[in-house]
Amino acid sequence: EVQLVQSGAEVKKPGESLKISCKGSGYSFTSYWIGWVRQMPGKGLEWMGIIYPGDSDTRYSPSFQGQVTISADKSISTAYLQWSSLKASDTAMYYCARHLSSGWILDAFDIWGQGTMVTVSS
Amino acid sequence: EIVLTQSPGTLSLSPGERATLSCRASQSVSSSYLAWYQQKPGQAPRLLIYGASSRATGIPDRFSGSGSGTDFTLTISRLEPEDFAVYYCQQYGSSLTFGQGTKLEIK
Repeated sequence: EVQLVQSGAEVKKPGESLKISCKGSGYSFTSYWIGWVRQMPGKGLEWMGIIYPGDSDTRYSPSFQGQVTISADKSISTAYLQWSSLKASDTAMYYCARHLSSGWILDAFDIWGQGTMVTVSS
Repeated sequence: EIVLTQSPGTLSLSPGERATLSCRASQSVSSSYLAWYQQKPGQAPRLLIYGASSRATGIPDRFSGSGSGTDFTLTISRLEPEDFAVYYCQQYGSSLTFGQGTKLEIK
């Protein structure tokens, strides 16, 4: 079964750092772009960026460039999303998702992780 | 950046009725690279339609997508109780952007 499994919920304080993960299985992890999508409480979906685990080529939405870092470790089929200094406004559900077609840089997302809830509060 | 505007914001219908959801782009979406997703409370989004009109794996044929250029439509021919959810469009012809969503609620 093709699936993405994300790390568990996090509660952090403003200014702290955080790295959440997304582990792929059941397919060739290095051949499909993986994206990250933010959903703030009660709001819609926002595309944050994508990474190609095969060579770690990464692209960011202008809205998130410089705010987060996307990375991947292909040896363990895992993608990451990290923050160096969290803000209260980073409180949201974060989803990883796989592109529909192998190698396509712009694509729909066909496989989604279950989401990781990040809560930032003092 | 291509901005997607979905309408209506909320659609109230009864099971068995036909639902028509609209997604309008601020500029033409190349090669009809337009997708639709369904999201139920507490769940991740699910891909329904890609390439404007191709159903994703396992999606019932009551869901259909149409359109090109700047105007796209998701149609649900006969609503089932499980279809009441929030629906998002997404374009992937120029970077990636999502619409703000349409909530389909039971009347």
